[in-house]
Amino acid sequence: QVTLRESGPALVKPTQTLTLTCTFSGFSLSTSGMCVSWIRQPPGKALEWLALIDWDDDKYYSTSLKTRLTISKDTSKNQVVLTMTNMDPVDTATYYCAHLVRGVISHWGQGTLVTVSS
Amino acid sequence: EIVLTQSPGTLSLSPGERATLSCRASQSVSSSYLAWYQQKPGQAPRLLIYGASSRATGIPDRFSGSGSGTDFTLTISRLEPEDFAVYYCQQYGSSPPITFGPGTKVDIK
Repeated sequence: QVTLRESGPALVKPTQTLTLTCTFSGFSLSTSGMCVSWIRQPPGKALEWLALIDWDDDKYYSTSLKTRLTISKDTSKNQVVLTMTNMDPVDTATYYCAHLVRGVISHWGQGTLVTVSS
Repeated sequence: EIVLTQSPGTLSLSPGERATLSCRASQSVSSSYLAWYQQKPGQAPRLLIYGASSRATGIPDRFSGSGSGTDFTLTISRLEPEDFAVYYCQQYGSSPPITFGPGTKVDIK
């Protein structure tokens, strides 16, 4: 059974760096074809894809946010970490991590709401 | 970058009616990499359809997907009360690898 859980601060101040951790079980990110992605959703708005890391440690980023994002994995801990620099109130959103196989998001975490406010 | 457009933005229907949701891509999308998700308030999205037309595990057969190239459709044959939600299409391809459509809200008329 695949599960994912996001963890990190609920509140960050403008200009700070956000660090989110996705802890997962039920699959190994060292297995060919496995990927983990971060996706966010501002309140009342649509889903926005942020970043993806695959089993081969290849990393991909949203075109509009790539200068602010870093994704990494710790296979031994079954964790994927996302950092986003220079946070702004418009970055207030629920942040999801998700498991992908061949491009399909088969499992989602419950999401974590991050509010950016001074 | 492939941009996905969904229409209509909102679909107001009654239970028992048929819902037809459209997803259009700015460039051709491999059918293998087109998926649909359902999201209810306060919940994470749930995979409905992958590969444009394959139902995910546990998804009722009233949900069906079709299409190819740049035009894809999600059809709900007879709306049940639990189907009123927001639906997103998603493609997986080249850089950047993932994009979502803006969503279609299906609400009760």
